[in-house]
Amino acid sequence: DTGVSQDPRHKITKRGQNVTFRCDPISEHNRLYWYRQTLGQGPEFLTYFQNEAQLEKSRLLSDRFSAERPKGSFSTLEIQRTEQGDSAMYLCASSLEGQGNQPQHFGDGTRLSIL
Amino acid sequence: SQQGEEDPQALSIQEGENATMNCSYKTSINNLQWYRQNSGRGLVHLILIRSNEREKHSGRLRVTLDTSKKSSSLLITASRAADTASYFCAIADTGRRALTFGSGTRLQVQP
Repeated sequence: DTGVSQDPRHKITKRGQNVTFRCDPISEHNRLYWYRQTLGQGPEFLTYFQNEAQLEKSRLLSDRFSAERPKGSFSTLEIQRTEQGDSAMYLCASSLEGQGNQPQHFGDGTRLSIL
Repeated sequence: SQQGEEDPQALSIQEGENATMNCSYKTSINNLQWYRQNSGRGLVHLILIRSNEREKHSGRLRVTLDTSKKSSSLLITASRAADTASYFCAIADTGRRALTFGSGTRLQVQP
């Protein structure tokens, strides 16, 4: 399968712990996005990379959140000192570079539950 | 805040009927995209319509775009039970790469 893969699929942790998620995009895609989705809502944009450069960050991305894409391939999203409100599905997507906004290909997400 | 707003929030129909979902938005767009999401899964891209296009077809899907009214509609014809999912419109603002999603329409197709 050459789609976007995310790991882990589920993460349960206690409040205050740090968590890290990984995303492997489609190999030829140089754009990578992170979104957060809560129950009954659409995805909300968190951050976007083109190759290894982080080009845009949402106001939702507080200083407890950090994302990296060190070699322009896989990406990690870390949440430090997790809070109850961080419980959500974290989705990664990738797309080709091109004129305008290209279709994004999503992984199946990491569901985070904070106890 | 989510710019794209879908209507209705939920829709229940019988197999074979058509399903229509609407999306309204507020700003200038580069394009508008529709996605589908099955429960517990990621989103799947269905169709992209550019700001200079008015209608687009893909299989049983028909999308229209009215930039003067800042609205789009997705029509699924001859629906099947397997079409049961949430459907989201996503706005591609001019000058941005990220998409802004609406809150979705939950479609239930009864066999």
